[in-house]
Amino acid sequence: QSVLTQPPSVSGAPGQRVTISCTGSSSNIGAGYAVHWYQQLPGAAPKLLIYGDTNRPSGVPDRFSGSKSGTSASLAITGLQAEDEADYFCQSYDRGLIGLTVFGGGTKLTIL
Amino acid sequence: QVQLQQSGPGLVRPSQTLSLTCVISGDSVSSNSAAWNWIRQSPSRGLEWLGWAYFRTQWYKDYGTSVSSRVIINLDTYKNQFSLQLKSVTPEDTAVYYCARTRGHGGDYYSYGVDVWGPGTTVTVSS
Repeated sequence: QSVLTQPPSVSGAPGQRVTISCTGSSSNIGAGYAVHWYQQLPGAAPKLLIYGDTNRPSGVPDRFSGSKSGTSASLAITGLQAEDEADYFCQSYDRGLIGLTVFGGGTKLTIL
Repeated sequence: QVQLQQSGPGLVRPSQTLSLTCVISGDSVSSNSAAWNWIRQSPSRGLEWLGWAYFRTQWYKDYGTSVSSRVIINLDTYKNQFSLQLKSVTPEDTAVYYCARTRGHGGDYYSYGVDVWGPGTTVTVSS
């Protein structure tokens, strides 16, 4: 059971918009810790997609955006493309007994 | 461009020690703007952070609660590398193990995410 909760799967047609939620608690996201998002293609290591809640690293298309409110965060992807089909993970930090860096369970995005 | 190259055995016997090494190129293990992580991934446990180490006038190390009694992260400034030792392994420790960098700035290692990942090492614990 992951500390951060994500839906197991989402789907959307090319060109559409999808959002992926990441729900935490008062000891992690709600404590003000930054949320980061990663994209993982099959057989590859995760790739940083969004850092510090809303920031995109150089090279990440502006179709990807992040937001945060209270104990939750969201990743939005607009103008879906076939190449976006991947697993997406959120990550934050926890000041409780869990062990500092915590991840969501991951969401599989399927392009219809 | 920062790159991480991993090495270590793909098969470890139960009760033995898992040892992996990560060689850094394009950055320094003693940089005061980076933390060096070990993260693993398995179908049953998902992504699991094992620990990190960083240098800020002295070395700091933190470990994940689930492995804290069995794990050690060591750093070698001469070889510019860091390593993972996980003792008394069981089949539950079977996973893909990643070394990775968290970028930091001014002592803040929480705001920038894990921006560089190694390719991963598949480790199977089996007799």
